[in-house]
Amino acid sequence: DAKTTQPTSMDCAEGRAANLPCNHSTISGNEYVYWYRQIHSQGPQYIIHGLKNNETNEMASLIITEDRKSSTLILPHATLRDTAVYYCIVRVASGSARQLTFGSGTQLTVLP
Amino acid sequence: DAGVIQSPRHEVTEMGQEVTLRCKPISGHNSLFWYRQTMMRGLELLIYFNNNVPIDDSGMPEDRFSAKMPNASFSTLKIQPSEPRDSAVYFCASSFISTYNEQFFGPGTRLTVL
Repeated sequence: DAKTTQPTSMDCAEGRAANLPCNHSTISGNEYVYWYRQIHSQGPQYIIHGLKNNETNEMASLIITEDRKSSTLILPHATLRDTAVYYCIVRVASGSARQLTFGSGTQLTVLP
Repeated sequence: DAGVIQSPRHEVTEMGQEVTLRCKPISGHNSLFWYRQTMMRGLELLIYFNNNVPIDDSGMPEDRFSAKMPNASFSTLKIQPSEPRDSAVYFCASSFISTYNEQFFGPGTRLTVL
């Protein structure tokens, strides 16, 4: 699975959009980009995933560059409850379940 | 719907004792994962099962660790004998077997070995 690079930490004002970048320059054509987050003392939580098209769900939007070497997770209106470590994971698409390889992630702090 | 259930939530034991962690996956899910999280190593996979069969146990630290999944609704992770360096939060996760699956994590078991 391709490696990812994320900033160690970011701050965001409450109510503003939080844009979390991720570099995955060695991504292969059959690898998906997944985002999970982990709120303090809880288990990780799935947010969104995509292959090459931009994706949106009730939690966030995922923007993947045309060359797929980087992506941005967007939380449109961050709240204090969005304070968490956000993990960008690139994982090959296979016929059976594969484990998630977590990096260090980005600590997002939403400020009041 | 109930999520992934783990028990106990907290466990404090003494070095050398046997520890058993339990997990009940989401009903219908057919993949189950055990992860461990420490400050030093982050979140790392220990073992995962598909349809109750262990697929990859390369993350299991050593022979002191063992995991079983006797049926689709129950799994255990056992440490015998436990050591202080096993202190960590242990997470269980479950999912459907598919290319695009998302994993659902339990609340974790915080293990402290004195």
